[in-house]
Amino acid sequence: GAGVSQSPRYKVAKRGQDVALRCDPISGHVSLFWYQQALGQGPEFLTYFQNEAQLDKSGLPSDRFFAERPEGSVSTLKIQRTQQEDSAVYLCASSLTGPLTGELFFGEGSRLTVL
Amino acid sequence: LAKTTQPISMDSYEGQEVNITCSHNNIATNDYITWYQQFPSQGPRFIIQGYKTKVTNEVASLFIPADRKSSTLSLPRVSLSDTAVYYCLVVTGRRALTFGSGTRLQVQP
Repeated sequence: GAGVSQSPRYKVAKRGQDVALRCDPISGHVSLFWYQQALGQGPEFLTYFQNEAQLDKSGLPSDRFFAERPEGSVSTLKIQRTQQEDSAVYLCASSLTGPLTGELFFGEGSRLTVL
Repeated sequence: LAKTTQPISMDSYEGQEVNITCSHNNIATNDYITWYQQFPSQGPRFIIQGYKTKVTNEVASLFIPADRKSSTLSLPRVSLSDTAVYYCLVVTGRRALTFGSGTRLQVQP
C-alpha cells in the first residue's frame, strides 16, 4: 500500500503476556519511529531507526520494550511481560530521510489493551 | 530541547478563521517549527513546517515572527471536518519529534 501499515490494529493481552506489534513503513523510507500514545495525551517518542540502525532508544520506558528493524524496512516492537500501564496506542511513522525534515508519515496505530 | 506551549482547547464556528498560537521560547538557531493534525483513531498528519516569516500551503498558513519564539497556525474558513487535535513541534536536528498535549479544536456548525 501507499501508506504506513501497522498490525494488529487491536490487541488484547493478559498481564504478563508478550506482544509483538508490526510496522510496514512506506517503501524507500529511511527513517522509522515508534511512539506511544495514552488516551487523551500526545504521542510520546519511544525509539528511532535509520535503516537498520537503532539511533535513539531513549524513550523506551523499560527493558521490557524492545524494537528491531533487521533489514531496514519492516519493524517490530516487542513488549515482554505486559503490564496494565502498557495499555496505549502504539504509533509507527516513517520518513524519507531524517527527523529534521519534520514530515513523518504515521500509521493508524496498534491499540494495546492489557487486562 | 525547546519546550512548546499551546492552548489546551479552542472553539470555533464553521466558516471562521482559526489561529492557534504556540510559544517556544528556547528555540535554537537550526530548529524548524512543524504542525501536525490528529483525528480520533488515526495517526498524526503533517500540516505545515516553517523556519521564519510566513509559509502557506493549500491547507494552512504558518506565521513566525522575527524572534521565532512563537508561531501561529492559521486555518482559513474552518469546517466541521477540521475538528481535531493540533500539535506544535520544534524539530531539533537529529532528534526525533517531541509532541506535547496539543490543542483540541472544536468546530461548531
